Amino acid sequence: GQQLNQSPQSMFIQEGEDVSMNCTSSSIFNTWLWYKQDPGEGPVLLIALYKAGELTSNGRLTAQFGITRKDSFLNISASIPSDVGIYFCAQRSYNTDKLIFGTGTRLQVFP
Amino acid sequence: EPEVTQTPSHQVTQMGQEVILRCVPISNHLYFYWYRQILGQKVEFLVSFYNNEISEKSEIFDDQFSVERPDGSNFTLKIRSTKLEDSAMYFCASYGTGYEQYFGPGTRLTVT
Repeated sequence: GQQLNQSPQSMFIQEGEDVSMNCTSSSIFNTWLWYKQDPGEGPVLLIALYKAGELTSNGRLTAQFGITRKDSFLNISASIPSDVGIYFCAQRSYNTDKLIFGTGTRLQVFP
Repeated sequence: EPEVTQTPSHQVTQMGQEVILRCVPISNHLYFYWYRQILGQKVEFLVSFYNNEISEKSEIFDDQFSVERPDGSNFTLKIRSTKLEDSAMYFCASYGTGYEQYFGPGTRLTVT
């Protein structure tokens, strides 16, 4: 089945640092989605990517759809304490509408 | 801003009991989902629902699970006879157009 592997598994950074995380897929897909999950909450969509090579920003967040269509990265610039949470990549299955989530990257930001 | 709501936020039940988890999707959405997240793990798809029927279900969604949209507003997930391993966060999601599924805040189910 489809698998999405994220790295790193966790990150511990200081406030103000930039963060980079990535996601790789065993298959080729047409979309990449990045979600953030705060503790005890549901996932919230951050960025959606629909085309290979696409680079999209949302405030301090930037994500790119890899040219091979098997990977994507998410960058966070100048991290702040509220960036703490788990970041999941996700893909929409080709022939159905379900989302397949990655393994997650847990981000901790220290002041 | 419209949002998906879920009740209850936390449900504790004894093994073998039936539970019903409730969701109110965003009002003009047509596609509805349930996902599950066991503590510390990734979010897993359970079932999708469109036009009053299940469009896809995962192997987790066995005969103990059922979904219903009883009144055009609520979307429910029923677990007929809960097991310890059903303990997890259950998320409802919906979407109308595009690829953006909006998730509710979740129901934490604890089976003792």
